[in-house]
Amino acid sequence: DAGVTQSPTHLIKTRGQQVTLRCSPKSGHDTVSWYQQALGQGPQFIFQYYEEEERQRGNFPDRFSGHQFPNYSSELNVNALLLGDSALYLCASSSGRGARTEAFFGQGTRLTVV
Amino acid sequence: AQSVTQLDSQVPVFEEAPVELRCNYSSSVSVYLFWYVQYPNQGLQLLLKYLSGSTLVKGINGFEAEFNKSQTSFHLRKPSVHISDTAEYFCAVSDVRDDKIIFGKGTRLHILP
Repeated sequence: DAGVTQSPTHLIKTRGQQVTLRCSPKSGHDTVSWYQQALGQGPQFIFQYYEEEERQRGNFPDRFSGHQFPNYSSELNVNALLLGDSALYLCASSSGRGARTEAFFGQGTRLTVV
Repeated sequence: AQSVTQLDSQVPVFEEAPVELRCNYSSSVSVYLFWYVQYPNQGLQLLLKYLSGSTLVKGINGFEAEFNKSQTSFHLRKPSVHISDTAEYFCAVSDVRDDKIIFGKGTRLHILP
């Protein structure tokens, strides 16, 4: 079992550009959550996808959007990048909705905005 | 809304000594509580979780935590640490009706030889 896989592992973008990050959930999982972890901080919830719909959203602007595909994989899109968007972006997958079920995290994508 | 406070940003401890990492949460509703560990350049791994029932929760790698509702605390303990325990530890909380998990800022555990 490959676990949760994220791509790419690192990338560098320029302010104002757009970026797409990808996540494949652990086998058997149907729910994907995205988190932003700034340097020296804990992860912050961006949103969760279940049954191809955004089910819950954290306190992030509309520049952050996502998608879930029929195979449960997911993308995180960030438009009009700001320097403050530089962070580690973590994807977590779980089976079903709710925090009761264990979330498995990928190793993250390190985004640097210059 | 829930919030989590990890009272120590860094904790140095000698190898084979006991350790306690402190966590307090605030919530007006029933919650689930978690401890996650993050090794350098890795994602997060669940150490243990409290959902209901016994307030003493045992996790992986010899860690345990105690849920104290009156003090709104969920401190993490290990009786004897090893150099391999060097990592960042995150306490987290979730409303039982919710999907999102709220994380604290983390505590870096330094194991001294």
